[in-house]
Amino acid sequence: EAGVAQSPRYKIIEKRQSVAFWCNPISGHATLYWYQQILGQGPKLLIQFQNNGVVDDSQLPKDRFSAERLKGVDSTLKIQPAKLEDSAVYLCASSLDIVGNQPQHFGDGTRLSIL
Amino acid sequence: SQQGEEDPQALSIQEGENATMNCSYKTSINNLQWYRQNSGRGLVHLILIRSNEREKHSGRLRVTLDTSKKSSSLLITASRAADTASYFCATAADAGGTSYGKLTFGQGTILTVHP
Repeated sequence: EAGVAQSPRYKIIEKRQSVAFWCNPISGHATLYWYQQILGQGPKLLIQFQNNGVVDDSQLPKDRFSAERLKGVDSTLKIQPAKLEDSAVYLCASSLDIVGNQPQHFGDGTRLSIL
Repeated sequence: SQQGEEDPQALSIQEGENATMNCSYKTSINNLQWYRQNSGRGLVHLILIRSNEREKHSGRLRVTLDTSKKSSSLLITASRAADTASYFCATAADAGGTSYGKLTFGQGTILTVHP
């Protein structure tokens, strides 16, 4: 089966600019996750969707981050305006279930650098 | 905040030796999962152990779980240079309430296997 696809792989922007990341999950996976991974740390969940509904966005900085999952398939994550501390790898993952009893499948991420 | 704490932070061994990584966590869990991350890539699921299981094997991997001590260990036997990667434990909270089986990752252990 095809894996989780993410684009772009790399992005360099200046602070206060905006940026968007795209994710296409594995076909049939109802649950989609966006994580932020800062260098040297484990991934931190930003937002979790089931189909096109949000089930957890408690750690999403909503003043600057937004995400949507139209039609319950592809998803986009946007940052506007970007800050220096947003430099990180943004990982998308998908899973068959919602309660965490199935493994999550990750894309290779987008590495974001803020100048 | 990070749920899992991994130990050691870094481990360097020779090919053929065994590698053991430990993970401790703080709250009640539904299951615990181990993931591998190669440099510049996404995370790959290795093994999932449920809260009512004590030990699980997959190929050269052996995972143990001690819920009374809130700890888990990952053993990689007969290591290979290709096992060089970061290894993360992740806990899935009880699905009751509003946790939706959220995965919380530790900081990871960097494993280097020298040929």
